[in-house]
Amino acid sequence: GQNIDQPTEMTATEGAIVQINCTYQTSGFNGLFWYQQHAGEAPTFLSYNVLDGLEEKGRFSSFLSRSKGYSYLLLKELQMKDSASYLCAVRDQGGSTLTFGKGTMLLVSP
Amino acid sequence: DGGITQSPKYLFRKEGQNVTLSCEQNLNHDAMYWYRQDPGQGLRLIYYSQIVNDFQKGDIAEGYSVSREKKESFPLTVTSAQKNPTAFYLCASSAGQGQETQYFGPGTRLLVL
Repeated sequence: GQNIDQPTEMTATEGAIVQINCTYQTSGFNGLFWYQQHAGEAPTFLSYNVLDGLEEKGRFSSFLSRSKGYSYLLLKELQMKDSASYLCAVRDQGGSTLTFGKGTMLLVSP
Repeated sequence: DGGITQSPKYLFRKEGQNVTLSCEQNLNHDAMYWYRQDPGQGLRLIYYSQIVNDFQKGDIAEGYSVSREKKESFPLTVTSAQKNPTAFYLCASSAGQGQETQYFGPGTRLLVL
C-alpha cells in the first residue's frame, strides 16, 4: 500500500516563495503527481516527476528524491489566486492507479 | 471542446434510494476512474476501468457499482447499501496505463435528504 504525508495548512504572503513537502512510503512507485484544487472545483494537473531531480514549469517547480521518498512543490511569486489545496499523488508500480495525500491548504494573504 | 463532463452538479438522495452519477469524456481515453472526496480527506478511489467492459474495485468500492459499456461513458451508481454517501464525487480519465496523467471532470456533490 501507499502512505502519503503532507502538511495540512500553510500560509504565505503575496509575492513570496513557498515550498509544500510530500513524503511517501510505498510498496511500489511509478511516478509522483501534484495537482491544484480550488474549493468546490476539480483538481487540475500541475506537474509529474518519475526521475530524481527538479522539473520547472513557469512559477511552479517540483522536486523528487526516490531514495528519500520525498517530493516538494515550489511556488514562486505567489499570487492571491494560488490560494488552493495542493494534492500530492503517487502512482502504483503497475501504473494503474493513484494514491492521494490529504492535500495541503495554502492561504496567500496580501 | 474536448473534456470530461459530469452531471448533475448537485444531486439529492433520499434514504434507501439508488442514484446514478454520469461521467462522459470525449478525449478518446481508455481509462476512467471514480473518486470520492470528503472534507479533510484526500481523494479515495472507488472504481476504475482500463478498457470497455472491464472494471476493478478501488479502495472503497462497497456500496457502489459501475458499468463501462462504452469507451466514453463510466456511470457510477450509489446504492442504498452505501450508508454515508454525502461527498464530492470526481470522475477522471487518462489515455491508458503507464505514464499518462489523469484529468478530472467538474464533480458532482451528493447530499442525502
